[in-house]
Amino acid sequence: AQKVTQAQTEISVVEKEDVTLDCVYETRDTTYYLFWYKQPPSGELVFLIRRNSFDEQNEISGRYSWNFQKSTSSFNFTITASQVVDSAVYFCALSEHNQGGKLIFGQGTELSVKP
Amino acid sequence: DAGVIQSPRHEVTEMGQEVTLRCKPISGHDYLFWYRQTMMRGLELLIYFNNNVPIDDSGMPEDRFSAKMPNASFSTLKIQPSEPRDSAVYFCASSLRTGGNTGELFFGEGSRLTVL
Repeated sequence: AQKVTQAQTEISVVEKEDVTLDCVYETRDTTYYLFWYKQPPSGELVFLIRRNSFDEQNEISGRYSWNFQKSTSSFNFTITASQVVDSAVYFCALSEHNQGGKLIFGQGTELSVKP
Repeated sequence: DAGVIQSPRHEVTEMGQEVTLRCKPISGHDYLFWYRQTMMRGLELLIYFNNNVPIDDSGMPEDRFSAKMPNASFSTLKIQPSEPRDSAVYFCASSLRTGGNTGELFFGEGSRLTVL
């Protein structure tokens, strides 16, 4: 069965701090995809990144970076030098190759960045 | 390019009434998904379509819920009769599967439903 666990329900940091959001997944498939989405207070879901199971290279995009480790079934997300605009709920999600692209979401981590 | 368009953005109705939510996916996308978001259950998949054909409706809570996709540019999610526990934000999303690879889902802004 597929499952995504985001153990951190809420995180609060002060602006300019680095913060890491944890994501652990379960799947029996050898081919799968992992995603992160951001949901700001306005409510829409914004795509951040997709990784496939064969690409374990870490990725950096500006202040955002992602660490994918198959050995620990984790796909963690780090925001460097956090800003107030980063305040949002962040969702990690999993899609198995033979499941037509449907995403199974974690419960989300609410990040609050205080000035 | 226009994103996924959902309507209405907000709906307040009374228990027992019929509710219809609408979605226009991104042109050219071959998958369409309906998700529901609540505080208790988070984001849960209700149903998804591939090329207008329903593929997996195992997430539809009960017979009161139905979804259709009569063509590639339109889908509806209907609740009849509605109940207070159906109050949630309903998201529509679409994606394009290329070369057998799962693409990212693009979400609409959601329809916030309140059933009194």
